Amino acid sequence: EIVMTQSPATLSVSPGERATLSCRASQSVSSNLAWYQQKPGQAPRLLIFGASTRATGIPARFSGSGSGTEFTLTISSLQSEDFAVYFCQQYNNWLPWTFGQGTKVEIK
Amino acid sequence: QVQLVESGGGLVKPGGSLRLSCAASGFTFSDYYMSWIRQAPGKGLEWVSYISSSGSTIYYADSVKGRFTISRDNAKNSLYLQMNSLRAEDTAVYYCARAPPPMDVWGQGTTVTVSS
Repeated sequence: EIVMTQSPATLSVSPGERATLSCRASQSVSSNLAWYQQKPGQAPRLLIFGASTRATGIPARFSGSGSGTEFTLTISSLQSEDFAVYFCQQYNNWLPWTFGQGTKVEIK
Repeated sequence: QVQLVESGGGLVKPGGSLRLSCAASGFTFSDYYMSWIRQAPGKGLEWVSYISSSGSTIYYADSVKGRFTISRDNAKNSLYLQMNSLRAEDTAVYYCARAPPPMDVWGQGTTVTVSS
């Protein structure tokens, strides 16, 4: 099973600032990585797939990068609606598809 | 619009059973593989089970293998999860989602609580 490790666990950022979230895989997942956003009481929402492709309707301030074992989600200028928990997920290896433990982006 | 709606969650005693349902609308359900994913209180996401579009291919996470059964009825645009021999550690919000990854459509979730 591929283990996904996200850092930091919590990120305190002021509105308008940049947020950089990291995700590391225990072995290469190529570019088969997705990012999801989850707000309290809501289901996860797909943000990024293929490591860097924004899903339909996702604002350009969200960008993903990386390949292999190291990945980054960048939110260029945090808006109030962006404060949430973010999960990465690998889907390179056949089952099980595994998620990181999440990074909470909170208001500083 | 594209939508998934789960139902069937509730409070059940250890060793008990529950059947979750997921109703799909707004897309051709029979074209899509589907998955169940769960989230324990305050925890991350765990993939539980996957079923191919025809239902011929099924996989389970080791944590539920032999206890949970996934199925679908394409005529009813519905996905199911039969959960038997439930344990406290199965307590979670259960989501259905279009699969395989990336999971682009998720339901709102249904809560399962296993407690005596």
